[in-house]
Amino acid sequence: DAGVIQSPRHEVTEMGQEVTLRCKPISGHNSLFWYRQTMMRGLELLIYFNNNVPIDDSGMPEDRFSAKMPNASFSTLKIQPSEPRDSAVYFCASSLGTRAGELFFGEGSRLTVL
Amino acid sequence: AQRVTQPEKLLSVFKGAPVELKCNYSYSGSPELFWYVQYSRQRLQLLLRHISRESIKGFTADLNKGETSFHLKKPFAQEEDSAMYYCALAPGGKLIFGQGTELSVKP
Repeated sequence: DAGVIQSPRHEVTEMGQEVTLRCKPISGHNSLFWYRQTMMRGLELLIYFNNNVPIDDSGMPEDRFSAKMPNASFSTLKIQPSEPRDSAVYFCASSLGTRAGELFFGEGSRLTVL
Repeated sequence: AQRVTQPEKLLSVFKGAPVELKCNYSYSGSPELFWYVQYSRQRLQLLLRHISRESIKGFTADLNKGETSFHLKKPFAQEEDSAMYYCALAPGGKLIFGQGTELSVKP
């Protein structure tokens, strides 16, 4: 298994543009998490899904951010419109079961908004 | 409030010295705590969990409910231990991370 797959690995865009980050969890895992990593705030949980259903989106910064999980093998995190303060590394992780334990992380998507 | 605090952003030690990475948590329930590690150019991965009470790569961590702490310790640091370490709390189905501590082990 290739593990959690994220794309793109790097994205540079201009303020105001739409950004879509993609994630493929490990096959068979039923929980999926989106995190944002910055120097100032470390790893922040944005949203997590269980069995494709959003369970907790309290970490989503504002309405510009949205996440979907249309099926068990794919999730997207969208930022529209993007702003420079959204520049960060975005991680996707998946796990098996309903209780958080061992999360398997992707390599991250580094976003730079100019 | 559910919170994890790692007070040190950077910890620098010499090879062979003892290491202690501090972690304090805030949680009203019975906590499940973890340490994750991110080596250079590698994915973030689980190092150990308090419930298993195991030693991984020479690291141990003891849950102290009285002090609400879960410090990570190793008696003799190695250069290959240099990495970013995150303490994490699992209140239910999610995992909340601290800000991380960068450990630098010098030769």
